Amino acid sequence: EVQLVQSGGEVKQPGESLTISCEGSGNSFTTTWINWVRQLPGKGLEWMGTIRLRDSYTRYSSSFEGHVIISGDRSIGSAYLHWTSLEASDTALYFCARHAGDYVLYSSYDSWGQGTLVTVSS
Amino acid sequence: DIQMTQSPSTLSASVGARVTITCRSSESISSHLNWYQQKPGKAPDLLISSASYVASGVPSRFSGGGSGTVFTLTIINLQPEDFAIYYCQQASSVPVTFGGGTKVEIK
Repeated sequence: EVQLVQSGGEVKQPGESLTISCEGSGNSFTTTWINWVRQLPGKGLEWMGTIRLRDSYTRYSSSFEGHVIISGDRSIGSAYLHWTSLEASDTALYFCARHAGDYVLYSSYDSWGQGTLVTVSS
Repeated sequence: DIQMTQSPSTLSASVGARVTITCRSSESISSHLNWYQQKPGKAPDLLISSASYVASGVPSRFSGGGSGTVFTLTIINLQPEDFAIYYCQQASSVPVTFGGGTKVEIK
């Protein structure tokens, strides 16, 4: 069983950069994708993008492309979400979630990280 | 983007009740529909994959159905631990999208 552990909460100021992480343990990551999902305070779930760990192939939602960067490290089964310039509207809970398979689609997310709360405030 | 619409947004029910949540997609997604349960302050948990496959460890009182554009999640004999928010998710096309959620409350 794959377990995902995310980095701790962050408090940042607008304009600052930030990288949060998601580290997996358990089964092989050869066919693992790590997805990032945003949850604004009191709101629903939004898919941001995904990375296939074996070759770092990424896909983004157009709503987030250009504002965040998703990267990964296959050797340690980790994925990262990076902002170069945070905005107050980035204040949210961010989850990583795994799916397995060869495709970005058609699968469900069977393991989730515990969430990382990012607060952006001046 | 494929829009996912859940109804109702809030549902009040008693322990032991049978409840059904509906999820509609703006275009056909075949059976590429998943359901998740989220409790306050926690990550979502997978309940149902591919519209009707109950995930490992999920009680048999949960079931899913549908295909194309209309899907349902049914819980029979509602238990206290089932009071939570439920989300549907389409995995048919990028971007993956979620429904707005259905909050199941204690009546």
